Amino acid sequence: QVQLQESGPGLVKPSETLSLTCTVSGYSISSGYYWGWIRQPPGKGLEWIGSIYHSGSTYYNPSLKSRVTISVDTSKNQFSLKLSSVTAADTAVYYCARDDDSSGYFDYWGQGTLVTVSS
Amino acid sequence: QSALTQPPSASGSPGQSVTISCTGTSSDVGGYNYVSWYQQHPGKAPKLMIYEVSKRPSGVPDRFSGSKSGNTASLTVSGLQAEDEADYYCSSYAGSNNFFVFGTGTKVTVL
Repeated sequence: QVQLQESGPGLVKPSETLSLTCTVSGYSISSGYYWGWIRQPPGKGLEWIGSIYHSGSTYYNPSLKSRVTISVDTSKNQFSLKLSSVTAADTAVYYCARDDDSSGYFDYWGQGTLVTVSS
Repeated sequence: QSALTQPPSASGSPGQSVTISCTGTSSDVGGYNYVSWYQQHPGKAPKLMIYEVSKRPSGVPDRFSGSKSGNTASLTVSGLQAEDEADYYCSSYAGSNNFFVFGTGTKVTVL
């Protein structure tokens, strides 16, 4: 059974960088698939942030691309998100998920982690 | 890239059917057969219910079905049950520039 777990600080100051890690179990990232990040502001809808392949190939939401970096560490079976210059608008529950790039859907999700941007 | 348009709410009595629409453009929903649907209960992660317009992942009841016509996709839940009360989001592939776009979400209430 594929499982994903997000980890990282729950509070980030404005203008700083948000950093999260997703640890995958039950499946080796090196075996395939893309791996993505999606966020959901409180009471609002879902927004795809970006995705990465085990080779390091990435693709990002154009509206966030200038601030987003996603990386992968296959030795730890983890992938990570960095979002720079955060504001209160970046306050959200952040999910990691497995991305079936060939058909455009996310079939396994982490439980999500709330990140609040506040001084 | 704008979010796909869904009705804010939908409802039905137990045993009835409810259909949720998801309207996009020819650049996303209408251009690809890569529409998916997610169910989200309060405080929980989204769960994949439908992919590639009408395919169900293993374990999803056949009460859930998907379809598409032009720029609008639809999710139908037949034989409504109390546990179907949740938020539902559609998503579509949107090409090699925008990649993924989600819908605005629909809250389904079982009366």
